[in-house]
Amino acid sequence: DTVLTQSPALAVSPGERVSISCRASEGVNSYMHWYQQKPGQQPKLLIYKASNLASGVPARFSGSGSGTDFTLTIDPVEADDTATYFCQQSWNDPTFGGGTKLELK
Amino acid sequence: EVQLVESGGGLVQPGRSLKLSCAASGFTFSNYYMAWVRQAPKKGLEWVATISTSGSRTYYPDSVKGRFTISRDNAKSSLYLQMNSLKSEDTATYYCARVWELGIFDYWGQGVMVTVSS
Repeated sequence: DTVLTQSPALAVSPGERVSISCRASEGVNSYMHWYQQKPGQQPKLLIYKASNLASGVPARFSGSGSGTDFTLTIDPVEADDTATYFCQQSWNDPTFGGGTKLELK
Repeated sequence: EVQLVESGGGLVQPGRSLKLSCAASGFTFSNYYMAWVRQAPKKGLEWVATISTSGSRTYYPDSVKGRFTISRDNAKSSLYLQMNSLKSEDTATYYCARVWELGIFDYWGQGVMVTVSS
């Protein structure tokens, strides 16, 4: 299985820029996707194929990376961005990262 | 508007069976692969199964292979997950998801809770 590793938590102030990382145990080309999950809700697709913004997602969100290292950036962070962010690869059988919980100071 | 609505969850004893359903609307169901993804309480996401547009091809991780069966009825725009020989570690919220292009889960249902306990 392709293991995806994310840092467990981050805390930032509104208006700041935050980068959330995801490292894959093997290369996944550009087949890395990002999801946002707010408490009590289903996941929502934010970024697909590393850097493409999903429909209806604000341009404050962006993605980058290829191979094994990927980043989701939010700039500027807003209060509504409090959530857990998951990366997911689909180059091999789908796997997800453990999630990064974003809290606002 | 794409909508996915799961049903069929509940409390079940270890070793027993349960069948989940997902009713799809707002898109041409037969044109898309579909999948189930689960999330154990306070845990991360785990892919459970994927099915092709016609239903002829199915895919599972080792954790559920041989116990879970994904199926679909395109005439009813419905997706199913038959879960047999359930274990406590199968306790989770199960999400129905539409699969877009190569393995992107672009729409998700609200989820249904399955609790396996005696």
